[in-house]
Amino acid sequence: EAGVVQSPRYKIIEKKQPVAFWCNPISGHNTLYWYLQNLGQGPELLIRYENEEAVDDSQLPKDRFSAERLKGVDSTLKIQPAELGDSAVYLCASSKQGVETQYFGPGTRLLVL
Amino acid sequence: KNEVEQSPQNLTAQEGEFITINCSYSVGISALHWLQQHPGGGIVSLFMLSSGKKKHGRLIATINIQEKHSSLHITASHPRDSAVYICAVETSGSRLTFGEGTQLTVNP
Repeated sequence: EAGVVQSPRYKIIEKKQPVAFWCNPISGHNTLYWYLQNLGQGPELLIRYENEEAVDDSQLPKDRFSAERLKGVDSTLKIQPAELGDSAVYLCASSKQGVETQYFGPGTRLLVL
Repeated sequence: KNEVEQSPQNLTAQEGEFITINCSYSVGISALHWLQQHPGGGIVSLFMLSSGKKKHGRLIATINIQEKHSSLHITASHPRDSAVYICAVETSGSRLTFGEGTQLTVNP
């Protein structure tokens, strides 16, 4: 069974540019998460989807971050415009039901110059 | 003060040693997770537990709900166990709150 797929794996952009990350969860997993992980720290939840509905986006900086999961499968996380402080690893995870066991993707490492 | 505190932050051991990583939390939880993250790699779920003890191979996880404390033990450690081990607690609303992780290095 394929795991959570994320792309790109690495992204370098200049500040004020837009950037988008894509996540394909494990087949059959209706819950999808986006996390941000700074160096030396644990992941922090940005948004959680149950199917296509965002059920927890309280930690998402909505002035510059947006996410969508239109058909309840793949998801895209966008930052526009990116700031230097957005440099981090963006992790996507999925689970079958609630928060039983989450399966994490390899992450997208973003560097904003 | 973080809701989830791990200790130690960094741990270096010799191959074969018994290793313990601790996690303390300050909130009510429905479950606790231990996760492993290799450099440049994704995060792998090791255990989810809400009481008692679980064992998988050389890994053992215990939790004491009354004391709000969990431990992850590795027996007969090996260099391939070198990774960051992260404790995460599941709170109301099915949210996970993560500790900062423990960097484990096992030397041959």
